[in-house]
Amino acid sequence: EDQVTQSPEALRLQEGESSSLNCSYTVSGLRGLFWYRQDPGKGPEFLFTLYSAGEEKEKERLKATLTKKESFLHITAPKPEDSATYLCAVQATNSGYALNFGKGTSLLVTP
Amino acid sequence: DAGVIQSPRHEVTEMGQEVTLRCKPISGHDYLFWYRQTMMRGLELLIYFNNNVPIDDSGMPEDRFSAKMPNASFSTLKIQPSEPRDSAVYFCASSALGAPSGELFFGEGSRLTVL
Repeated sequence: EDQVTQSPEALRLQEGESSSLNCSYTVSGLRGLFWYRQDPGKGPEFLFTLYSAGEEKEKERLKATLTKKESFLHITAPKPEDSATYLCAVQATNSGYALNFGKGTSLLVTP
Repeated sequence: DAGVIQSPRHEVTEMGQEVTLRCKPISGHDYLFWYRQTMMRGLELLIYFNNNVPIDDSGMPEDRFSAKMPNASFSTLKIQPSEPRDSAVYFCASSALGAPSGELFFGEGSRLTVL
């Protein structure tokens, strides 16, 4: 059975303090791994898709990387507006278009 | 584009009542997904449609739940009868064939409370 585990569950950073969020996954065959951001009271918002080990994607202060067993979301010099819940999801080759989400990491960046 | 539109945003009902949640996907999108989010279980896929046809409903909890997509611009998720354990935020999302796989556009959700 496909599993997605995110850690830590919650993370508090000072503004400018870089860190990484982890997403560990087990899947029979990986079609893609996805990162989403979710603000309170809103639906998730797409950030990145990664397809193969070694791939990296960047957007502003965020960089996502992928290995065969996990993905990291690196946050460089975060700002308070980066505070949100970050969700990781996997899509298996035998699951059509279904995404299997982890429970997320709640990030708080304080000034 | 207005994005994915869901209604109602909030619903409070009593156990045993029928609940209907509605979704209007982004025009031109041919995939529609219904997800449920709770603190305990996170985001769970309930069902998804392609070109108005249900493709995978294995996540629908039980027969009390049903979903329809009568046309490309409208879908409903119905719970009858509702139970307190159905309390959650229900999200609708849509995507377009040809878009990066996995790029779903979510609505703002319908928060359901069953007393």
